[in-house]
Amino acid sequence: DAGVIQSPRHEVTEMGQEVTLRCKPISGHNSLFWYRQTMMRGLELLIYFNNNVPIDDSGMPEDRFSAKMPNASFSTLKIQPSEPRDSAVYFCASSFTRQGYQPQHFGDGTRLSIL
Amino acid sequence: GENVEQHPSTLSVQEGDSAVIKCTYSDSASNYFPWYKQELGKRPQLIIDIRSNVGEKKDQRIAVTLNKTAKHFSLHITETQPEDSAVYFCAASKESGGYQKVTFGIGTKLQVIP
Repeated sequence: DAGVIQSPRHEVTEMGQEVTLRCKPISGHNSLFWYRQTMMRGLELLIYFNNNVPIDDSGMPEDRFSAKMPNASFSTLKIQPSEPRDSAVYFCASSFTRQGYQPQHFGDGTRLSIL
Repeated sequence: GENVEQHPSTLSVQEGDSAVIKCTYSDSASNYFPWYKQELGKRPQLIIDIRSNVGEKKDQRIAVTLNKTAKHFSLHITETQPEDSAVYFCAASKESGGYQKVTFGIGTKLQVIP
C-alpha cells in the first residue's frame, strides 16, 4: 500500500496567488481529512469528507479556503487568494470509518510558504 | 466542543530513563484516544491507542493509561532511546453526527539525550 499521497511536497508562492493542494487517500478508505499544522496552533482539522461528501467544514478558516472530493481517490484543498498567514504544513489523512473508531493515516504533508 | 490539553510542551530525558506525557480532555463522551509520533519533517504516525473500555494498554516500551473519571490519559515510554526523540500528540475522539470527531493536543517535543 502506497499510503496517503500528497502533492506538491513544497509550495512557495506570492500572496494573492491561487494554491491547490492535492491528496490521494489509501485505497478502500472512505473518510478523508484535511489538517493544517502550525507551531502556534498545532494540528487543526479543516474539513472532513465521508464517502466523498463534506461532513464537517467548521474548521475552514474563511471563504478563501475550499475543498472538494470529486471521487473516492482524489481530493483538493484550494486557497484563493493566498495570504502570508496561510503559511503552514497541510496534511491530508484517511481512514476507514465503520462501527468503532479507526485510526487516521497521514500523508507526508505539503509545506506551504506564502511570500 | 472538545478541549484537549497536553503537558509538558517540551521534555528532555537521559537515554534509558522514562518519559511521561499527560493529556486531559473535557468531553466525557470521548471514547477513543490515539497517540501519534511525528519526527522532524515527517508525517504523524499512530504509535498506540486506547478505547474507553480499557484502562491500560502496553506495546513493548510504550504504554498508555486512561482514567475516565478524571478525564485524563497518559503516555509512558520506558528505556528511552535517541530515536524516541520526536513530537508526540495525544488526541481524543468521540462520535459526532455519525462520524468520529478527533481533537488533537498541542504536542510534546521529547528530546532523548544520549
